[in-house]
Amino acid sequence: SQTIHQWPATLVQPVGSPLSLECTVEGTSNPNLYWYRQAAGRGLQLLFYSVGIGQISSEVPQNLSASRPQDRQFILSSKKLLLSDSGFYLCAWSVPKGPFNQPQHFGDGTRLSIL
Amino acid sequence: AQSVTQLGSHVSVSEGALVLLRCNYSSSVPPYLFWYVQYPNQGLQLLLKYTTGATLVKGINGFEAEFKKSETSFHLTKPSAHMSDAAEYFCAVSDLEASGGSYIPTFGRGTSLIVHP
Repeated sequence: SQTIHQWPATLVQPVGSPLSLECTVEGTSNPNLYWYRQAAGRGLQLLFYSVGIGQISSEVPQNLSASRPQDRQFILSSKKLLLSDSGFYLCAWSVPKGPFNQPQHFGDGTRLSIL
Repeated sequence: AQSVTQLGSHVSVSEGALVLLRCNYSSSVPPYLFWYVQYPNQGLQLLLKYTTGATLVKGINGFEAEFKKSETSFHLTKPSAHMSDAAEYFCAVSDLEASGGSYIPTFGRGTSLIVHP
């Protein structure tokens, strides 16, 4: 069966520090991968998605970047964190190339607090 | 462009009462529709989905939803609420045309279900 792992579960970082959040998927090949941010009371905001190694699409201009160095690894990074980067970050995967009736599968998230 | 509207950011019910969470969508083609549940400090978990066929869809934990094309709705219901149903619920829609060939679903802003004893 397929599983998705995100770490760390919680993170407290000072303003201006770098960030690296990692997500890995097991049990499937060439998944579509996604990073979302969830701010309190504001629903899900899609940050990045990837359909293959090295292929990253950015949905929202911001202080963050994403990379996919391996087929089932998706990394969210920042060089200098801002207070506004606080939130709950979720990684998700879906089967490659659709079909569009298949759901997304989410990790347990990372709670990021910027001080 | 596709969009999803969830009426009511918070819904409060008593334990044992009917749960009704509303979702309306806009899509130029027949959509695929999903409901997800999110418990505190966890990721989203699929409750149920509508693709084609029967318009009444049954999901996990006793939830069901009915696709009504004429009303562009996909409301989530459960006959009797349990305390363990307290969570955030998200409706999502996906269609090929709006996604431009990529699988990018659109999520509603979520509805927080509060269950009183």
